[in-house]
Amino acid sequence: EAGVAQSPRYKIIEKRQSVAFWCNPISGHATLYWYQQILGQGPKLLIQFQNNGVVDDSQLPKDRFSAERLKGVDSTLKIQPAKLEDSAVYLCASSSFDEQFFGPGTRLTVL
Amino acid sequence: GQNIDQPTEMTATEGAIVQINCTYQTSGFNGLFWYQQHAGEAPTFLSYNVLDGLEEKGRFSSFLSRSKGYSYLLLKELQMKDSASYLCAVRSTGGFKTIFGAGTRLFVKA
Repeated sequence: EAGVAQSPRYKIIEKRQSVAFWCNPISGHATLYWYQQILGQGPKLLIQFQNNGVVDDSQLPKDRFSAERLKGVDSTLKIQPAKLEDSAVYLCASSSFDEQFFGPGTRLTVL
Repeated sequence: GQNIDQPTEMTATEGAIVQINCTYQTSGFNGLFWYQQHAGEAPTFLSYNVLDGLEEKGRFSSFLSRSKGYSYLLLKELQMKDSASYLCAVRSTGGFKTIFGAGTRLFVKA
């Protein structure tokens, strides 16, 4: 079974620029998560989708971050404009029941 | 709200046993997870507890006490490859939101 795919794997941008990340979950997984993981910390949930509906986005900085999951499959996470403190690894995960399967992540560096 | 506490770092010797503790506070408990994360890699699932007691899976065991808001991960016969961060995560009812702790970095020495 194919795992969770994410792209790009690495991205370097300057502050105030925009960036977008893409995630393709495991086929059939209804729940999709986006996490932000800053070095030395645990993953912080940004947004959780159930099919194409948002279950939780309480920790998503909505003034600059947006996410969508079209047709309940792929998802994109966008940051516009980026700040220095957005430098982190952005992890996408999917699940069907309990266990979450994580993608390799996108390492974002904001200069 | 939710709060998860686990030690920042632990060191243990190859072949030994180590216990990593996790305490949590949540409004509406719906399961506790342990994930392993090697440096530069994504987390991978280790265990899931929703009822009190011990779940054993090979060299890894996980214990849960819901009344105490407490869990531990027990690693036996430690190997060098077990050097990693171990993340405790709690899922709440109502949307099944999962919150991760900061993780415990385990160093296994020869």
